[in-house]
Amino acid sequence: KAGVTQTPRYLIKTRGQQVTLSCSPISGHRSVSWYQQTPGQGLQFLFEYFSETQRNKGNFPGRFSGRQFSNSRSEMNVSTLELGDSALYLCASSSPSGTTYEQYFGPGTRLTVT
Amino acid sequence: AQKVTQAQTEISVVEKEDVTLDCVYETRDTTYYLFWYKQPPSGELVFLIRRNSFDEQNEISGRYSWNFQKSTSSFNFTITASQVVDSAVYFCALSEETGANNLFFGTGTRLTVIP
Repeated sequence: KAGVTQTPRYLIKTRGQQVTLSCSPISGHRSVSWYQQTPGQGLQFLFEYFSETQRNKGNFPGRFSGRQFSNSRSEMNVSTLELGDSALYLCASSSPSGTTYEQYFGPGTRLTVT
Repeated sequence: AQKVTQAQTEISVVEKEDVTLDCVYETRDTTYYLFWYKQPPSGELVFLIRRNSFDEQNEISGRYSWNFQKSTSSFNFTITASQVVDSAVYFCALSEETGANNLFFGTGTRLTVIP
């Protein structure tokens, strides 16, 4: 069974631009969560989507948004990029039942904002 | 509010030594879930274990074992006979809400196993 895939793996953007990251969950998984990892703040929860609906949201500004498609693939968007948005963005999918199960993480997208 | 504390920032051990990684959590919920994840240098988080708050039974999986004690709000992780491949950052995490998949992570412990 294929794991969680994220594209692109690396990205360099300039301040003020916007970026879209993509995540394909494990086949059959309906929940997709996004996390930001930085040296200063560690791993922080961004949001979770389940069956195309945002189910939970972390404490991030509105510049961070996401969506989920009918095939469970998810995208997250960051608008008006700031230097502090440089981070490893991790996507995770979990079991089809939607309960609190172990999450399987993708390799991440490393975003650098210059 | 929830909180996960991993007081050990970095640990170095010599290969074949046993090592315990500490995790202390805070939550007001009676139902919650605890996790351990491993992050090797490649960056991908690898799931190790999930434990719910009603299951205090300790677990052993090969060289790995976990000690869950609600009385001290701790969920410690022990690696027996450590190997170089165990070198990684280990994260303890907490989820408070049943049906939700938002994990609150500790700051991680970087384990280096010296050959």
